[in-house]
Amino acid sequence: GAVVSQHPSRVICKSGTSVKIECRSLDFQATTMFWYRQFPKQSLMLMATSNEGSKATYEQGVEKDKFLINHASLTLSTLTVTSAHPEDSSFYICSASDRVGQPQHFGDGTRLSIL
Amino acid sequence: QKEVEQDPGPLSVPEGAIVSLNCTYSNSAFQYFMWYRQYSRKGPELLMYTYSSGNKEDGRFTAQVDKSSKYISLFIRDSQPSDSATYLCAMIDNQGGKLIFGQGTELSVKP
Repeated sequence: GAVVSQHPSRVICKSGTSVKIECRSLDFQATTMFWYRQFPKQSLMLMATSNEGSKATYEQGVEKDKFLINHASLTLSTLTVTSAHPEDSSFYICSASDRVGQPQHFGDGTRLSIL
Repeated sequence: QKEVEQDPGPLSVPEGAIVSLNCTYSNSAFQYFMWYRQYSRKGPELLMYTYSSGNKEDGRFTAQVDKSSKYISLFIRDSQPSDSATYLCAMIDNQGGKLIFGQGTELSVKP
């Protein structure tokens, strides 16, 4: 149980393109979903927290107009990297939790490369 | 000082060895403790989840929490090459807030 699916797993695109990443909880309802960014050999850095039907809460230093998050249902959240540039290249990972205090379950990540 | 301290390693052990991974923390409000395993280019996978002080065992894995010392451990018995990965400790406070990760320990189990 507690499966989170993230799609796509790999994206390579030109600078200026907008990229959408989907995160789905397959066998549970995710009241809260989280988006992380991970650089090589480093731990996960929380970007934002989203609750179904409400605006996402962004961490300090994360541009909300650059990283658009939508959590339209209890099983789907999307992250859109708008007008992506090479410095946005990274490994993006989503997670989901069904209750406060419960462990988060992670997707397999999306490797984004902006040329 | 970071809220959660974890030795990044790398840690290299022979197959069959007992592995001990540890984290210390400073926030006494942390109530929920987790260990995740992350293979290269994959998302973290939940290994163990504990709420209170004490031990929890699952197969070859044992998680230990000592709240009085603010110290948690993960033991891996009879380690296998397939255990080679980065292990992340993580914790949540009693308000159910954000997941706070350690830096991760890179483990390599040699055949």
